[in-house]
Amino acid sequence: DGGITQSPKYLFRKEGQNVTLSCEQNLNHDAMYWYRQDPGQGLRLIYYSQIVNDFQKGDIAEGYSVSREKKESFPLTVTSAQKNPTAFYLCASRDSDYGYTFGSGTRLTVV
Amino acid sequence: ILNVEQSPQSLHVQEGDSTNFTCSFPSSNFYALHWYRWETAKSPEALFVMTLNGDEKKKGRISATLNTKEGYSYLYIKGSQPEDSATYLCAFGAAGNKLTFGGGTRVLVKP
Repeated sequence: DGGITQSPKYLFRKEGQNVTLSCEQNLNHDAMYWYRQDPGQGLRLIYYSQIVNDFQKGDIAEGYSVSREKKESFPLTVTSAQKNPTAFYLCASRDSDYGYTFGSGTRLTVV
Repeated sequence: ILNVEQSPQSLHVQEGDSTNFTCSFPSSNFYALHWYRWETAKSPEALFVMTLNGDEKKKGRISATLNTKEGYSYLYIKGSQPEDSATYLCAFGAAGNKLTFGGGTRVLVKP
């Protein structure tokens, strides 16, 4: 079955460490997105990529980095510069005429 | 950053009753309005993508209307069932295909 796989489901990070969240899709979608959710808030866009080897900052890109070397993969690195990284992270991809397809998310906790 | 508001934030509905809730969004630079259903521990699932003013979409007991001139969309659930319990997200798409999400309406259907 086609879909988006995010791993791991839960991730714990020590303060000052970088950590990378994985997002893989086998839907042959060109566009991929990373969102963050905090309690009581909507999804906020971190980074997005419309095509391989290209990506754009979203509304809250500071402290994050991404790469898009392959169509299937859009990993997100949460760097030590991100002041408040504890959150739920959702990856999505998009077909042109339909809504987004989402992964099941990664919950990151800084300990 | 665009302002997309959903109201109410949460809703308790008796099984069998019908209900509706609102998404308001900027009335300028409109491209599309998305609705998603997000059940606990699952991925958000696309319900509707609406692009035309006056558009109405239906999927089973769930339907949605769109008014792009005044910047609002309604989602209706007819004859609510316990399996309708979820958070319903709307998202505003401007040109450039980025989505800005509202905070969601959490619906709990009580048997």
